[in-house]
Amino acid sequence: NAGVTQTPKFQVLKTGQSMTLQCAQDMNHEYMSWYRQDPGMGLRLIHYSVGAGITDQGEVPNGYNVSRSTTEDFPLRLLSAAPSQTSVYFCASSYSLAINNEQFFGPGTRLTVL
Amino acid sequence: GQQLNQSPQSMFIQEGEDVSMNCTSSSIFNTWLWYKQDPGEGPVLLIALYKAGELTSNGRLTAQFGITRKDSFLNISASIPSDVGIYFCAGNGGATNKLIFGTGTLLAVQP
Repeated sequence: NAGVTQTPKFQVLKTGQSMTLQCAQDMNHEYMSWYRQDPGMGLRLIHYSVGAGITDQGEVPNGYNVSRSTTEDFPLRLLSAAPSQTSVYFCASSYSLAINNEQFFGPGTRLTVL
Repeated sequence: GQQLNQSPQSMFIQEGEDVSMNCTSSSIFNTWLWYKQDPGEGPVLLIALYKAGELTSNGRLTAQFGITRKDSFLNISASIPSDVGIYFCAGNGGATNKLIFGTGTLLAVQP
């Protein structure tokens, strides 16, 4: 298994541009989530999904959209990038939403918005 | 949003020394997790704790779920250079897998 994969690894955008961060997992996990990591802030939950067709907001959802059309994929969209969205983005997945299911993280996408 | 208070922020130690770090929360948690993040990688789970008072080991790592359910600590014994990285605590106060992360402890080990 490849586990959780994310593309691209690095991205530079200009303010106002849009882009999609890709996340895929091949472990047949139902639960997927997106976090952003900023210096001194730890990881903060952006959006999550408990299964195909179901998404919900996390702690910091503003400026981001998600969709879950398949079990494997959970893309994160930035509709109009802002410098405040400069961060490292991690996708994670687990077998279910149950509390005792280990979350596996992808390698991250490092985004800079100029 | 809610965050966990994790300390220390950073540690610079000699190889062979023991390390201790901890996390505290203002609210009760049902789960405490400890992750390690290597440079350029995503976090990897080290230890998961699900019961107040639980003490769990994973090799040279030992973690405890505080009896008040508002804190947890992680100890690393006899540190080695590959222990270098950022260690995060994470907690969950509800019945789902939505985690709240601490701010991280940067560990540097000098050979």
